[in-house]
Amino acid sequence: KNEVEQSPQNLTAQEGEFITINCSYSVGISALHWLQQHPGGGIVSLFMLSSGKKKHGRLIATINIQEKHSSLHITASHPRDSAVYICAVVGGGADGLTFGKGTHLIIQP
Amino acid sequence: KAGVTQTPRYLIKTRGQQVTLSCSPISGHRSVSWYQQTPGQGLQFLFEYFSETQRNKGNFPGRFSGRQFSNSRSEMNVSTLELGDSALYLCASNLQPTDTQYFGPGTRLTVL
Repeated sequence: KNEVEQSPQNLTAQEGEFITINCSYSVGISALHWLQQHPGGGIVSLFMLSSGKKKHGRLIATINIQEKHSSLHITASHPRDSAVYICAVVGGGADGLTFGKGTHLIIQP
Repeated sequence: KAGVTQTPRYLIKTRGQQVTLSCSPISGHRSVSWYQQTPGQGLQFLFEYFSETQRNKGNFPGRFSGRQFSNSRSEMNVSTLELGDSALYLCASNLQPTDTQYFGPGTRLTVL
C-alpha cells in the first residue's frame, strides 16, 4: 500500500510570498496529481506528471521519481489561492488514486 | 462544454436505507471514477469504470456498488446505510483512464 504524506498540513502566508507544498510517497508510481479544493467541495485538477516539471501560470509542479517526492510551488501568492491542495498518486500496488491528507493554505492580504 | 454533473447535490437518509447517486460525465468522456471524502479519512477511491466495465475497485465493503451505462453515465449505490457512510461523494470523468480527471461538484450524503 502506498503511503502518501504531505507537508505542511497547514500554511498561512502573506500575499506575494512564494509557497511550497511537499508530497512524498513510499512506493513507485506511474503518475502523480496535484488537486485544488475550495470551500464547498469543488476539486480542480492542477497537474498530472510522471517526470520533471510542469508550469501553468503562477503554479509550478516538480517530481523526483528516484526520491519519491513532488513539490507544488505558487509564485506571487494571492488570497484567491487559499484552498486545500491535495497530492494523489497512481500505481504503487493500489487500484485507483491514493490521496494525501491535503495542505490547508491561507493567503492573507 | 458542460462539466461533470452529479445528482442529487444533497441527500439525507436514515440508517438501513439504500441510496443511488448519479454522475453524468463530460460529453465524450468514457471513464468515470467515484470517490468518498470524509473529515477523518480524507479522499478515498471507490471505483473506476471505462466503457461500461469496472476497471478498479477500492477497499470498500460490498454494500458499495456501481455501474456505467452505454452513454457513459454512471451510478453508485450504497445499501444498508450506516452512520459512517455520511460523506461527500465525488465523481470524476476523463477521456481515457490515464488522462487528467475532471471532478463534479459532489453529492453530500447525510445518514441519520
